[in-house]
Amino acid sequence: ILNVEQSPQSLHVQEGDSTNFTCSFPSSNFYALHWYRWETAKSPEALFVMTLNGDEKKKGRISATLNTKEGYSYLYIKGSQPEDSATYLCAFAHGSSNTGKLIFGQGTTLQVKP
Amino acid sequence: KAGVTQTPRYLIKTRGQQVTLSCSPISGHRSVSWYQQTPGQGLQFLFEYFSETQRNKGNFPGRFSGRQFSNSRSEMNVSTLELGDSALYLCASSSGAGNIQYFGAGTRLSVL
Repeated sequence: ILNVEQSPQSLHVQEGDSTNFTCSFPSSNFYALHWYRWETAKSPEALFVMTLNGDEKKKGRISATLNTKEGYSYLYIKGSQPEDSATYLCAFAHGSSNTGKLIFGQGTTLQVKP
Repeated sequence: KAGVTQTPRYLIKTRGQQVTLSCSPISGHRSVSWYQQTPGQGLQFLFEYFSETQRNKGNFPGRFSGRQFSNSRSEMNVSTLELGDSALYLCASSSGAGNIQYFGAGTRLSVL
């Protein structure tokens, strides 16, 4: 059974703090690792899709790194803002299936206090 | 470009009934995946359709089924509803395997 773990489960930070979350996934038969942001009452929105070991992606104040050999990815938010409050999901695409199936972690819920 | 459209947004059913949910993907997307989210659970993969064929299926009982039409629109059917089927059902479309998935707003199903 393929399992994706995210930590921490939740995080409360002050506006301006920088923060990071971890996503652990199986290191064999890797195809892609996705990060999504899910705000309350909205649809999950893609942040990044990473496919290569050592990949680093950046979107504004948010960046992500990928280590496929050890099976982890970090998501960093620099200078958190209240609008960053959301649940951040990572999802693993398994190489042998090579289909649209994504295995999601439970998510990290971030609350940024003004 | 219109996003992923799911209908209906809310649904209330009673145990034993059946329900059909609809998903219209982004124009040009041929892959449609379905997910279930229940309280305390992450998004659980139900199945994925590509060009009218089911490519992958999650670990759900046979009461959960789906199909995809030639215009890539997809439907999901749940027969003999149980209380535990109460959940948010999300569909997502993408242009290909491993690519970004674009999610709809979801259908919230309540089974009484």
